[in-house]
Parts: sequence; structure tokens; C-alpha cells
Amino acid sequence: EVQLVESGGGLVQPGRSMKLSCAASGFTFNNYDMAWVCQAPKKGLEWVATISYDGSSTYYRDSVKGRFTISRDNAKSTLYLQMDSLRSEDTATYYCARQADYGYNYWGQGVMVTVSS
Amino acid sequence: DIVMTQGALPNPVPSGESASITCQSSKSLLYSDGKTYLNWYLQRPGQSPQLLIYWMSTRASGVSDRFSGSGSGTDFTLKISRVEAEDVGVYYCQQFLEFPLTFGSGTKLEIK
Repeated sequence: EVQLVESGGGLVQPGRSMKLSCAASGFTFNNYDMAWVCQAPKKGLEWVATISYDGSSTYYRDSVKGRFTISRDNAKSTLYLQMDSLRSEDTATYYCARQADYGYNYWGQGVMVTVSS
Repeated sequence: DIVMTQGALPNPVPSGESASITCQSSKSLLYSDGKTYLNWYLQRPGQSPQLLIYWMSTRASGVSDRFSGSGSGTDFTLKISRVEAEDVGVYYCQQFLEFPLTFGSGTKLEIK
């Protein structure tokens, strides 16, 4: 059974950093691109970043470029999102998702990040 | 960026009736491989999203055949036949053609 379990969220002050993790199991992690998708409270879904199966390519939405870094450790089957210089508008639930050629066919349960003083 | 625009539903929809959700993209999602890179997701209350339809009309594994997708390169429809209580939630379209990957704003389905 495919499982994606996010961790590392919580309350953080503006300007500070936070690192999210997503532990994957039930599939061959290094065969798949992975992504982070966020959802602000009572709002819709927004793609954040994608990393290729081997970590060689990364893609970001404009609003997080230069502040967020997506990475992976294939030996540990774990996806990461390093978030620096956090802003109040980054407050959201962050989902990790397995990215197939056609879409996100598996999602984690999500982890809440609240940026507030 | 490709803008995805979703239509609203005349909620609530009577149980057993059909419902159609529309989505429009600002650029054709038809790729040179012949596939149209348009996805549909359902987010039930309190849950993570789940993939329903990909390549505009292909049902994801385990998805009921009451869900069907259709459209052209820029105009798309998700049809839900014989709506049931478990169909309640917010439906999102997403273009998977190019980065940044973008979603529609969501369409809420309520059942009467």
C-alpha cells in the first residue's frame, strides 16, 4: 500500500525557516517524480514545487523561488521542503504527492504550517 | 501561466440526478502526443484530494464509472451521473501540460 506521511509543520514566526518531510513507503520511491502542493485555509490547491525522480531537476512556483528548496533522499525514501524567509501568505496545509506522468495519483494527509508572530 | 477557470454548480443537486462541472483553460492542453493534459480531482471534506480523471477522459484506478470527463483543447466537462452522498466535496481541474502546474479555483458539490 502506497503511503505518504508528512511531518515537520507547526507555528513559525515570519522570516524564520521550517523544513517539511514526507516519508514514502509501498512503492519504489526513486522511480517517481514528487511534488509539494499547498492549500491556504478555506482556499484552493496550489502547486508549490516538483523534483525529478533522481533529484536532478527541480521546478518552483514564482512566489517561492529563492525561498523554498525541494529535495529528496532516495536512500531514505523521503521528500523534503526547506522553507526559508517565511511569510504570512505561506500559511497553508502542505501536501506531498507522488507525481505520475499524468497527475498526482497519491497524496499524503497534509501538514499545517502557520506563519505568525 | 495557464489560467484555469471553473464554473459553479446549481447547488444543492438532488440525489440521483446528474451534475456537470465545467473548466476552461487559457491555452490548449492538447499536446503533440495526442493527449490532453487535463486532470480532475475531488477533495472530500476534511480529506486530501484524490485523482479522478486524467488525460481529460481516463478514469483513475478505482474511480466509479459514474464519473466521466470530456472536452476539447480548452473547454472541459466533468460529468457525475446519479450523484450520491459520497460525491460531496470540492472538485478541481488541473492542467498538467507545463510548469507552473495550475489548478482551477474549485467547484463545490452539495447533495439534496
